[in-house]
Formats: sequence, structure tokens, C-alpha cells
Amino acid sequence: AQKVTQAQTEISVVEKEDVTLDCVYETRDTTYYLFWYKQPPSGELVFLIRRNSFDEQNEISGRYSWNFQKSTSSFNFTITASQVVDSAVYFCALSAYGGSQGNLIFGKGTKLSVKP
Amino acid sequence: NAGVTQTPKFRVLKTGQSMTLLCAQDMNHEYMYWYRQDPGMGLRLIHYSVGEGTTAKGEVPDGYNVSRLKKQNFLLGLESAAPSQTSVYFCASRIVTGNSPLHFGNGTRLTVT
Repeated sequence: AQKVTQAQTEISVVEKEDVTLDCVYETRDTTYYLFWYKQPPSGELVFLIRRNSFDEQNEISGRYSWNFQKSTSSFNFTITASQVVDSAVYFCALSAYGGSQGNLIFGKGTKLSVKP
Repeated sequence: NAGVTQTPKFRVLKTGQSMTLLCAQDMNHEYMYWYRQDPGMGLRLIHYSVGEGTTAKGEVPDGYNVSRLKKQNFLLGLESAAPSQTSVYFCASRIVTGNSPLHFGNGTRLTVT
């Protein structure tokens, strides 16, 4: 079975703090992809990053960074120097090669509130 | 280039009424999906389609039907709405190649009273 767990339901930080959103996944497939999406208060879903199971290099994009560790089945997301505009619900998702045509299995999301 | 467009944006139904949600994409994507989002539940797949004329069930298909008569459109139908179908519905599409990211519409907020 495939599963994505985001244990942090809500996180509240003060602007300029660093924050890490945790994501733990389960799959028996050796080929799979991991994603992060952002859902701001306006409600749309915004794609942030995709990672395949063969690439464990960490990635940095501006204030965002992602730490993929197969040994712990984790794909954590860190925001450095958080800003109020980062306030959103963040979803981690998994797509396994053998899954229903690229369907994403989503975690339940982590609501991040960044206070000024 | 509109991407993925969902109509309507909001709808209120009474129990037992029927309705159809329309999803249209202008990116020539083969795959299309319907998800529902409920508080604390993340997004769950209702039905999906891998091409014109084909549909398949997802995780929570009961109470819904879908059709993909044209490649660019994916319709989600509720034949007899129930309060348990109160949710936000998202349509998404993607290209065939690899595991490309899903492109989502802006959602339809449905309330069934």
C-alpha cells in the first residue's frame, strides 16, 4: 500500500524563522516520485517540486529547500527566513510507477501560519 | 492559455438533486483527474481518465459518475446529491510522459443541504 504521512497538522512561526515541514512516505515500488504542493488561502494548488526515487540530491530554490532521504522514507521541506506570504497549507504527495496512471497519493497537509 | 478551468466555482444543492461539474483543459493533456478535498483529509481521487472515451475509478468513486467524450473535457456528475458530498472538488490534468506534475483547476465548492 502507498501512504503519505504529514504528522504536523498545523505550525505557527514568526516571520524570519526557519521552518521544516515533515513528510514520510510508504511504497513498495522502487520507482516513484514525490511532490510538494502549496495551497494558499485563495485555494488554488501550486506545484512546488517533483523528485524521483533515484535522485537523492537535496534541492534548493531561493528560500525553499528539500531533503530527500530514502533510508528514512522522508522528503522534508524547509522554508528559510519565512515570510507572511508563505502562509498556506502544504501537501506532500507520492506517485508510484505502478499506481493508477500517475495518480498522486496526498498527505493530509500541514497548515503553516507565518505571523508578522 | 487558461490551463485547467472548472465550472461552476460555487454551488449549493439540496439532497437528492443532481448536477454536473465541468473541467476543461487547453493543454492537450491525455490524463485527467477528479479529486475531492475535505478538512483534515487531504485530496482523494474520485475518478480519472487516461484518454478520450476512457474512465476509471479512484479511491472514493461511490455516488459519482464521469465522462470524457472529448479530450479536453472531463465531467463529474452527481446523480443524487448527499450531504456527505459537501466538499471542494478539484480537477487536474497532466501529460503522459513520465510522472509530470498535475495541473489543477481552481476548485468548485459544493454544499449539499
